[in-house]
Amino acid sequence: DGGITQSPKYLFRKEGQNVTLSCEQNLNHDAMYWYRQDPGQGLRLIYYSQIVNDFQKGDIAEGYSVSREKKESFPLTVTSAQKNPTAFYLCASSLGGAREAFFGQGTRLTVV
Amino acid sequence: AQSVTQPDIHITVSEGASLELRCNYSYGATPYLFWYVQSPGQGLQLLLKYFSGDTLVQGIKGFEAEFKRSQSSFNLRKPSVHWSDAAEYFCAVGAAGSNYKLTFGKGTLLTVNP
Repeated sequence: DGGITQSPKYLFRKEGQNVTLSCEQNLNHDAMYWYRQDPGQGLRLIYYSQIVNDFQKGDIAEGYSVSREKKESFPLTVTSAQKNPTAFYLCASSLGGAREAFFGQGTRLTVV
Repeated sequence: AQSVTQPDIHITVSEGASLELRCNYSYGATPYLFWYVQSPGQGLQLLLKYFSGDTLVQGIKGFEAEFKRSQSSFNLRKPSVHWSDAAEYFCAVGAAGSNYKLTFGKGTLLTVNP
C-alpha cells in the first residue's frame, strides 16, 4: 500500500537531548512537509522540501533541523535548542504545486 | 501572507441534523482551498478541495463546500450528520505566491449528540 509512514508513534525525550523523527513515503511525491500541532493552535509549518537536496524554513523552524537526501525520506531532528518540544508532529507529502497534501499518522513527542 | 480563520472552535449538533463549518481566508489572488478531518491521535484526511471551476465541490463522506470569492469563504456542509463524523475539521489555503505551502486554520471540533 502506498502511503506515508511516521515512526515512532510515541517518543520521549530528556531535557537537552536531540531526537529524530522519521518520515518515509512511497507515493513518489516530490514535496514533503513537517508540521507541528498543539491543542487549539492548528498546524504550523516547520520545514518543507520541494525537491531532493533542498529544503526551506517554515513559520517555526527555530530549534529544528531536517535533511532530504532521498526523495522518499524527510527526517526531522528536534534539537535541544527547541525550548518547548512537547507536541504532535505530522509529516505530509504532495506531488508539489497546487496539489493536496497527504499526511502520516503522526508522532507524539513528550519531554520528560 | 495568506491566512485562514475558522470562527467556531467547537460545534455540537444532533445526529441527523445539518452541519455547516465556517472558513474564511485571506489572500489576494485565487487560492487553493482544502478541508481536512482529523480523528483523535491520527493524521489528517482530505475531505475535498477547490482549485478552480465550479464553486460547489463535492467530497468524501457526503461533505460539500462552496467557494464564495465575494465573501472570502469556503464553508463546509453536510445535510445529515452521523455520529462517526465527530472529529476535528481543518480548513487550509495554498497559493502559488507562497510556493503552494498550506496554511491551516486552528480547527473546529465537532461533537455529535445521539
